[in-house]
Amino acid sequence: GAVVSQHPSRVICKSGTSVKIECRSLDFQATTMFWYRQFPKQSLMLMATSNEGSKATYEQGVEKDKFLINHASLTLSTLTVTSAHPEDSSFYICSARDAGGPRETQYFGPGTRLLVL
Amino acid sequence: KNEVEQSPQNLTAQEGEFITINCSYSVGISALHWLQQHPGGGIVSLFMLSSGKKKHGRLIATINIQEKHSSLHITASHPRDSAVYICAVSVGNMLTFGGGTRLMVKP
Repeated sequence: GAVVSQHPSRVICKSGTSVKIECRSLDFQATTMFWYRQFPKQSLMLMATSNEGSKATYEQGVEKDKFLINHASLTLSTLTVTSAHPEDSSFYICSARDAGGPRETQYFGPGTRLLVL
Repeated sequence: KNEVEQSPQNLTAQEGEFITINCSYSVGISALHWLQQHPGGGIVSLFMLSSGKKKHGRLIATINIQEKHSSLHITASHPRDSAVYICAVSVGNMLTFGGGTRLMVKP
Protein backbone atom coordinates (compact mmCIF):
# COMPACT_ATOMS: atom_id res chain seq x y z
CA GLY A 1 0.00 0.00 0.00
CA ALA A 2 0.89 3.64 -0.32
CA VAL A 3 3.34 4.93 2.28
CA VAL A 4 3.87 8.39 3.66
CA SER A 5 6.85 9.13 5.88
CA GLN A 6 7.53 12.03 8.21
CA HIS A 7 10.83 13.19 9.57
CA PRO A 8 11.68 13.68 12.33
CA SER A 9 9.32 11.51 14.35
CA ARG A 10 9.92 13.62 17.42
CA VAL A 11 11.84 16.80 18.11
CA ILE A 12 12.62 18.87 21.15
CA CYS A 13 13.74 22.43 20.60
CA LYS A 14 14.32 25.64 22.51
CA SER A 15 11.86 28.49 22.40
CA GLY A 16 12.66 30.89 19.57
CA THR A 17 14.22 28.35 17.23
CA SER A 18 12.70 27.08 13.99
CA VAL A 19 11.86 23.47 13.28
CA LYS A 20 11.34 21.87 9.88
CA ILE A 21 9.17 18.78 9.45
CA GLU A 22 9.28 16.78 6.22
CA CYS A 23 6.46 14.77 4.71
CA ARG A 24 7.29 12.40 1.87
CA SER A 25 5.17 10.15 -0.30
CA LEU A 26 7.35 7.13 -0.89
CA ASP A 27 5.71 5.26 -3.74
CA PHE A 28 3.29 7.68 -5.34
CA GLN A 29 3.09 11.26 -6.54
CA ALA A 30 1.20 13.63 -4.29
CA THR A 31 0.00 16.83 -5.92
CA THR A 32 -1.82 17.67 -2.71
CA MET A 33 -0.65 17.21 0.85
CA PHE A 34 -2.39 18.21 4.04
CA TRP A 35 -0.96 19.30 7.37
CA TYR A 36 -2.86 18.59 10.57
CA ARG A 37 -2.27 19.41 14.18
CA GLN A 38 -3.51 17.34 17.07
CA PHE A 39 -3.63 18.33 20.72
CA PRO A 40 -3.75 15.62 23.39
CA LYS A 41 -7.01 13.67 23.33
CA GLN A 42 -8.44 15.83 20.60
CA SER A 43 -9.19 15.19 16.97
CA LEU A 44 -7.05 16.30 14.06
CA MET A 45 -7.32 19.91 13.02
CA LEU A 46 -6.51 20.84 9.44
CA MET A 47 -3.89 23.58 9.33
CA ALA A 48 -3.26 23.95 5.62
CA THR A 49 -3.52 22.35 2.22
CA SER A 50 -0.28 22.17 0.29
CA ASN A 51 -0.35 22.03 -3.49
CA GLU A 52 2.76 21.19 -5.48
CA GLY A 53 4.20 24.23 -7.17
CA SER A 54 1.84 26.77 -5.64
CA LYS A 55 1.20 28.54 -2.35
CA ALA A 56 -0.42 26.64 0.46
CA THR A 57 -3.98 27.37 1.50
CA TYR A 58 -4.22 28.02 5.22
CA GLU A 59 -7.24 27.43 7.41
CA GLN A 60 -8.73 30.31 9.32
CA GLY A 61 -6.75 31.11 12.43
CA VAL A 62 -3.51 29.50 11.24
CA GLU A 63 -0.68 32.00 10.82
CA LYS A 64 1.02 31.46 7.49
CA ASP A 65 4.13 33.35 8.60
CA LYS A 66 4.38 31.13 11.64
CA PHE A 67 3.84 27.84 9.86
CA LEU A 68 5.69 27.97 6.56
CA ILE A 69 4.74 25.30 4.06
CA ASN A 70 6.71 24.40 0.97
CA HIS A 71 5.63 21.76 -1.54
CA ALA A 72 8.48 21.90 -3.99
CA SER A 73 8.13 18.45 -5.52
CA LEU A 74 5.49 15.80 -6.11
CA THR A 75 6.81 13.72 -3.24
CA LEU A 76 7.85 16.24 -0.60
CA SER A 77 6.13 18.89 1.49
CA THR A 78 7.77 20.64 4.43
CA LEU A 79 6.26 22.45 7.40
CA THR A 80 8.54 24.89 9.21
CA VAL A 81 7.45 26.13 12.61
CA THR A 82 9.22 29.46 12.90
CA SER A 83 10.25 31.04 16.19
CA ALA A 84 8.68 28.17 18.06
CA HIS A 85 7.02 28.74 21.43
CA PRO A 86 5.86 26.25 24.05
CA GLU A 87 2.26 26.61 22.86
CA ASP A 88 3.39 25.21 19.49
CA SER A 89 4.12 21.91 21.20
CA SER A 90 1.81 19.44 19.54
CA PHE A 91 1.55 16.39 17.30
CA TYR A 92 1.81 17.32 13.62
CA ILE A 93 0.51 14.89 11.01
CA CYS A 94 0.64 15.11 7.25
CA SER A 95 -1.39 13.26 4.70
CA ALA A 96 -1.01 12.96 0.97
CA ARG A 97 -3.41 12.47 -1.85
CA ASP A 98 -2.31 10.11 -4.61
CA ALA A 99 -2.42 12.09 -7.86
CA GLY A 100 -3.33 8.90 -9.69
CA GLY A 101 -6.06 7.81 -7.29
CA PRO A 102 -9.53 8.91 -6.17
CA ARG A 103 -9.77 12.43 -4.74
CA GLU A 104 -11.11 11.03 -1.49
CA THR A 105 -8.10 8.83 -0.77
CA GLN A 106 -5.57 10.21 1.69
CA TYR A 107 -2.59 8.40 3.14
CA PHE A 108 -1.42 9.53 6.54
CA GLY A 109 2.11 9.94 7.81
CA PRO A 110 3.12 8.62 11.22
CA GLY A 111 3.24 12.09 12.74
CA THR A 112 5.88 14.30 14.35
CA ARG A 113 5.76 15.11 18.03
CA LEU A 114 7.13 18.58 18.73
CA LEU A 115 8.07 19.75 22.20
CA VAL A 116 9.18 23.34 22.61
CA LEU A 117 10.95 24.11 25.87
CA LYS B 1 -20.86 22.89 7.63
CA ASN B 2 -20.51 19.14 7.99
CA GLU B 3 -20.82 17.85 11.54
CA VAL B 4 -19.42 14.41 12.29
CA GLU B 5 -20.56 12.75 15.50
CA GLN B 6 -19.10 9.56 16.89
CA SER B 7 -20.42 7.35 19.64
CA PRO B 8 -19.44 6.22 22.11
CA GLN B 9 -16.57 8.53 23.04
CA ASN B 10 -15.03 5.90 25.28
CA LEU B 11 -15.51 2.17 25.25
CA THR B 12 -14.08 -0.57 27.44
CA ALA B 13 -14.58 -4.17 26.40
CA GLN B 14 -13.44 -7.62 27.46
CA GLU B 15 -11.31 -9.62 25.08
CA GLY B 16 -13.50 -11.55 22.67
CA GLU B 17 -16.43 -9.14 22.73
CA PHE B 18 -18.10 -7.81 19.58
CA ILE B 19 -17.61 -4.05 19.34
CA THR B 20 -19.57 -1.42 17.42
CA ILE B 21 -18.58 2.19 16.95
CA ASN B 22 -21.01 4.57 15.27
CA CYS B 23 -20.56 7.66 13.11
CA SER B 24 -23.20 10.10 11.90
CA TYR B 25 -22.72 13.06 9.61
CA SER B 26 -24.92 15.90 8.50
CA VAL B 27 -24.34 16.65 4.82
CA GLY B 28 -23.74 14.73 1.61
CA ILE B 29 -20.29 13.23 1.29
CA SER B 30 -18.21 11.55 -1.37
CA ALA B 31 -16.64 9.00 0.97
CA LEU B 32 -16.25 8.04 4.62
CA HIS B 33 -13.03 6.91 6.24
CA TRP B 34 -12.37 4.88 9.35
CA LEU B 35 -8.95 5.55 10.85
CA GLN B 36 -7.09 3.92 13.72
CA GLN B 37 -4.66 5.82 15.92
CA HIS B 38 -2.53 3.92 18.40
CA PRO B 39 -0.95 5.47 21.49
CA GLY B 40 2.20 6.85 19.95
CA GLY B 41 0.13 8.72 17.45
CA GLY B 42 0.55 7.09 14.05
CA ILE B 43 -2.62 6.91 12.00
CA VAL B 44 -3.63 3.94 9.88
CA SER B 45 -6.42 4.12 7.35
CA LEU B 46 -8.69 1.12 7.91
CA PHE B 47 -11.45 1.65 5.37
CA MET B 48 -12.71 4.09 2.81
CA LEU B 49 -16.41 3.61 1.98
CA SER B 50 -18.85 5.26 -0.32
CA SER B 51 -21.57 2.61 -0.11
CA GLY B 52 -22.40 -0.79 1.32
CA LYS B 53 -20.02 -2.80 3.42
CA LYS B 54 -16.35 -3.69 3.56
CA LYS B 55 -14.56 -6.38 5.55
CA HIS B 56 -10.91 -6.78 6.41
CA GLY B 57 -9.99 -9.53 8.81
CA ARG B 58 -11.96 -8.98 12.03
CA LEU B 59 -13.02 -5.49 11.01
CA ILE B 60 -16.26 -4.69 9.21
CA ALA B 61 -17.41 -1.25 8.11
CA THR B 62 -20.86 -0.39 6.85
CA ILE B 63 -22.40 2.80 5.56
CA ASN B 64 -26.00 3.88 4.97
CA ILE B 65 -25.90 6.90 2.68
CA GLN B 66 -29.62 7.69 3.06
CA GLU B 67 -29.38 7.74 6.85
CA LYS B 68 -25.94 9.42 6.83
CA HIS B 69 -24.60 6.81 9.21
CA SER B 70 -21.70 4.40 9.35
CA SER B 71 -20.63 1.70 11.78
CA LEU B 72 -17.32 0.05 12.45
CA HIS B 73 -17.50 -3.43 13.94
CA ILE B 74 -14.71 -5.43 15.51
CA THR B 75 -15.34 -9.12 15.97
CA ALA B 76 -13.49 -11.22 18.57
CA SER B 77 -11.82 -8.13 20.00
CA HIS B 78 -8.26 -8.34 21.28
CA PRO B 79 -6.18 -6.09 23.54
CA ARG B 80 -4.11 -5.05 20.52
CA ASP B 81 -7.27 -3.46 19.11
CA SER B 82 -7.00 -0.85 21.87
CA ALA B 83 -6.68 2.47 20.07
CA VAL B 84 -8.60 5.56 19.10
CA TYR B 85 -10.91 5.01 16.13
CA ILE B 86 -11.69 8.08 14.09
CA CYS B 87 -14.42 8.57 11.53
CA ALA B 88 -13.74 11.14 8.83
CA VAL B 89 -15.89 12.20 5.90
CA SER B 90 -14.73 13.47 2.54
CA VAL B 91 -16.27 16.21 0.50
CA GLY B 92 -13.97 16.26 -2.50
CA ASN B 93 -10.49 16.00 -1.05
CA MET B 94 -11.30 17.75 2.23
CA LEU B 95 -11.79 15.71 5.38
CA THR B 96 -13.93 16.49 8.41
CA PHE B 97 -13.09 14.40 11.45
CA GLY B 98 -15.23 13.02 14.23
CA GLY B 99 -14.06 13.34 17.78
CA GLY B 100 -12.81 9.76 17.95
CA THR B 101 -13.74 6.75 20.05
CA ARG B 102 -11.21 5.60 22.59
CA LEU B 103 -11.37 1.81 22.82
CA MET B 104 -9.73 -0.28 25.48
CA VAL B 105 -9.93 -4.05 25.27
CA LYS B 106 -9.04 -5.82 28.49
CA PRO B 107 -7.58 -9.33 28.55
